[in-house]
Amino acid sequence: QKEVEQNSGPLSVPEGAIASLNCTYSDRGSQSFFWYRQYSGKSPELIMSIYSNGDKEDGRFTAQLNKASQYVSLLIRDSQPSDSATYLCAPDGENQGGKLIFGQGTELSVKP
Amino acid sequence: DADVTQTPRNRITKTGKRIMLECSQTKGHDRMYWYRQDPGLGLRLIYYSFDVKDINKGEISDGYSVSRQAQAKFSLSLESAIPNQTALYFCATSAADQETQYFGPGTRLLVL
Repeated sequence: QKEVEQNSGPLSVPEGAIASLNCTYSDRGSQSFFWYRQYSGKSPELIMSIYSNGDKEDGRFTAQLNKASQYVSLLIRDSQPSDSATYLCAPDGENQGGKLIFGQGTELSVKP
Repeated sequence: DADVTQTPRNRITKTGKRIMLECSQTKGHDRMYWYRQDPGLGLRLIYYSFDVKDINKGEISDGYSVSRQAQAKFSLSLESAIPNQTALYFCATSAADQETQYFGPGTRLLVL
């Protein structure tokens, strides 16, 4: 089993819809969770972090964390074509000594 | 000016050549990382350094070496480049008390 699993996609949604990106992780000791966005040919940039169970909202983005289920998700409301990118999930690991473990990413395509 | 810079941005080299990729940062972070990214495989950690005197192997360090010349500089060397080292290479930094990583613009390497 991979340490961090994401559907590679592509996930295609129409403009204005809600995009739901999912991530599961294997390390029960993970405490911090990060979502990075990466445009094609560009470097990853942090868009959300979440540390506690429940929801965290930031503008159109909502991160959801369920540590019991080892599941973290990212919802993008009112999706825009500019949201088209690859989204990388990155939990830390209890035994990772401060390193992050990146999933392979989910490619999102928002169609006008 | 960018906080994390990488040079060169693009490099074409031949099998067997030794090459060096350089990373510099002005964020004042102690921690620096080198990743490679291949299509469908996400970000894989090559080496990381938590301070100038600390160097650690990541999950795919074979065929690579690093040098931490100063807090602000972290170089990655390919001792004898081979075609399967063709990839996009990213440098990243983080503060000692935070897990958020900040990425450089990447170096696209092609080994012929």
